[in-house]
Amino acid sequence: TQLLEQSPQFLSIQEGENLTVYCNSSSVFSSLQWYRQEPGEGPVLLVTVVTGGEVKKLKRLTFQFGDARKDSSLHITAAQPGDTGLYLCAGANNDMRFGAGTRLTVKP
Amino acid sequence: EAGVTQSPTHLIKTRGQQVTLRCSPISGHTSVYWYQQALGLGLQFLLWYDEGEERNRGNFPPRFSGRQFPNYSSELNVNALELEDSALYLCASSLANYGYTFGSGTRLTVV
Repeated sequence: TQLLEQSPQFLSIQEGENLTVYCNSSSVFSSLQWYRQEPGEGPVLLVTVVTGGEVKKLKRLTFQFGDARKDSSLHITAAQPGDTGLYLCAGANNDMRFGAGTRLTVKP
Repeated sequence: EAGVTQSPTHLIKTRGQQVTLRCSPISGHTSVYWYQQALGLGLQFLLWYDEGEERNRGNFPPRFSGRQFPNYSSELNVNALELEDSALYLCASSLANYGYTFGSGTRLTVV
């Protein structure tokens, strides 16, 4: 059983569409990170959120940390084929635990 | 600045053999983390080393072990390999728990 549950597991959309992926847990975290991983590579850090209710924007990506610091969402506006990849959330306390990821495919 | 480097990149071993994977963290990073990423299972936490000490361990059997050297590089050892040990083994380093920098991983195949 994963400590962090990510949904959906798979998502396939057309270029230009918007999407939201979710990361949920029953545990409280001191911080939460989002990573993107491409085939054959290690995950790359996108953002760290620390404060409950925090919203961070990175170009077309918007990240939100839940008020109770147990969950998070990632919203992508006007998705592009370059956004294709595995999106992982990770919660930090003494160490970092990862969700299983959302595999996003953006078709041209 | 060099990133996290892992070696080897690929490895094929026979069931029952032993393997050693290596990781060099980003210069100045004292913490090294090891994760196993099997197909479809996400990243499973293996081990955390900081300042040469094992700080935490995931839910893996004792045949998974490792160490961290004075220069903060690290080794992951797996004894008595089993078929289900086939996975991508990822190493990450950090200064504090605000985000990890990962290497590209070692792809281990056990046949």
